[in-house]
Amino acid sequence: EAGVTQFPSHSVIEKGQTVTLRCDPISGHDNLYWYRRVMGKEIKFLLHFVKESKQDESGMPNNRFLAERTGGTYSTLKVQPAELEDSGVYFCASSRAGLAGLETQYFGPGTRLLVL
Amino acid sequence: AQKVTQAQTEISVVEKEDVTLDCVYETRDTTYYLFWYKQPPSGELVFLIRRNSFDEQNEISGRYSWNFQKSTSSFNFTITASQVVDSAVYFCALRNYGQNFVFGPGTRLSVLP
Repeated sequence: EAGVTQFPSHSVIEKGQTVTLRCDPISGHDNLYWYRRVMGKEIKFLLHFVKESKQDESGMPNNRFLAERTGGTYSTLKVQPAELEDSGVYFCASSRAGLAGLETQYFGPGTRLLVL
Repeated sequence: AQKVTQAQTEISVVEKEDVTLDCVYETRDTTYYLFWYKQPPSGELVFLIRRNSFDEQNEISGRYSWNFQKSTSSFNFTITASQVVDSAVYFCALRNYGQNFVFGPGTRLSVLP
């Protein structure tokens, strides 16, 4: 089966611009997660979708970040306007429905965002 | 609060050497799960292992082995007879029941030919 895919693989934008990242989860996976790794630090949770609903968005840093998952399939993460500190690698992961902590999350290759 | 510490930022070994990657975690929950992920140069995070807090049996999978010790809150990962293809960043992660992942900062392993 195809893995989690993310687009674009790299994005370089200027401060103040808008960027939209896309994640296509593994087919049939209800759970979709966004994470990011900033400046080589630890990977941090951003939010969790169950189908099209936001289950937990406690990790979203501020209101410049907007995530959507219309139809419960792919998800987008928009950063508007982008700031320098938003630079990092944004990972998406998906998993089957199941008891929290038990299902294995499969990660995509990440989108490397650089804000100049 | 939950926290994962990977004290080794970078490790370099010569091929065929054994190497152990350390992971120490903090949690107040009694039910939790520990994970190791590998991030090769291609970028994706590859799942390696999941261990729940009630199972302290060590596990071996080929050249990989994991040592879970609740007494020291550690979940160390050993690669035996390392190979160049093992070069990657390795992340240890903690997940309390019903909550989200907390990742460590990662350890970059370089295996030199």
